[in-house]
Amino acid sequence: EDQVTQSPEALRLQEGESSSLNCSYTVSGLRGLFWYRQDPGKGPEFLFTLYSAGEEKEKERLKATLTKKESFLHITAPKPEDSATYLCAVGAGANNLFFGTGTRLTVIP
Amino acid sequence: NAGVMQNPRHLVRRRGQEARLRCSPMKGHSHVYWYRQLPEEGLKFMVYLQKENIIDESGMPKERFSAEFPKEGPSILRIQQVVRGDSAAYFCASSPRGQSVSYEQYFGPGTRLTVT
Repeated sequence: EDQVTQSPEALRLQEGESSSLNCSYTVSGLRGLFWYRQDPGKGPEFLFTLYSAGEEKEKERLKATLTKKESFLHITAPKPEDSATYLCAVGAGANNLFFGTGTRLTVIP
Repeated sequence: NAGVMQNPRHLVRRRGQEARLRCSPMKGHSHVYWYRQLPEEGLKFMVYLQKENIIDESGMPKERFSAEFPKEGPSILRIQQVVRGDSAAYFCASSPRGQSVSYEQYFGPGTRLTVT
């Protein structure tokens, strides 16, 4: 059965304190690993797609990496506006995304 | 370029009533997906549609729920005889192609359904 597990569930950082979010997955026939950002009361906002182990992508203070079993979202020198829930999803088999429950990030000024 | 549009943003229904949720995909996108998000749970896939076709409805409850994407107009998710357990946020996403989820899906702002 497909599974996506994100950790930690919640993370509080001081502004400028770098850290990483983890997404581990078990899926048959991986067809992409996706990262989204979701603000309260809003829809998920697309961040990255990773397709193969070893791949990396960057956007401002965010960097996503992928191995055969997990993905990391590294946040470098975060700012309060980076506070949000970060969602990981896998595309697998059918034409849908299978989501984890997210990591709720709070960056304190 | 307008993003995915959903309406209404908030919908309150009494038990037993019908709920109709609408989704207009991004311009140039012809594939629509519906997801449901319950409090403290992840987004769960419900149904995938192309124009006039349901491609995959494996995540949608067989009773009371239906979806369509007509040739003209928005995609509709219909919930008949709503119950309190249907209270959730319903999100629509669209993509330019749907044969592979290697293509990103872009989400709308969601419809928050409350059943009283």
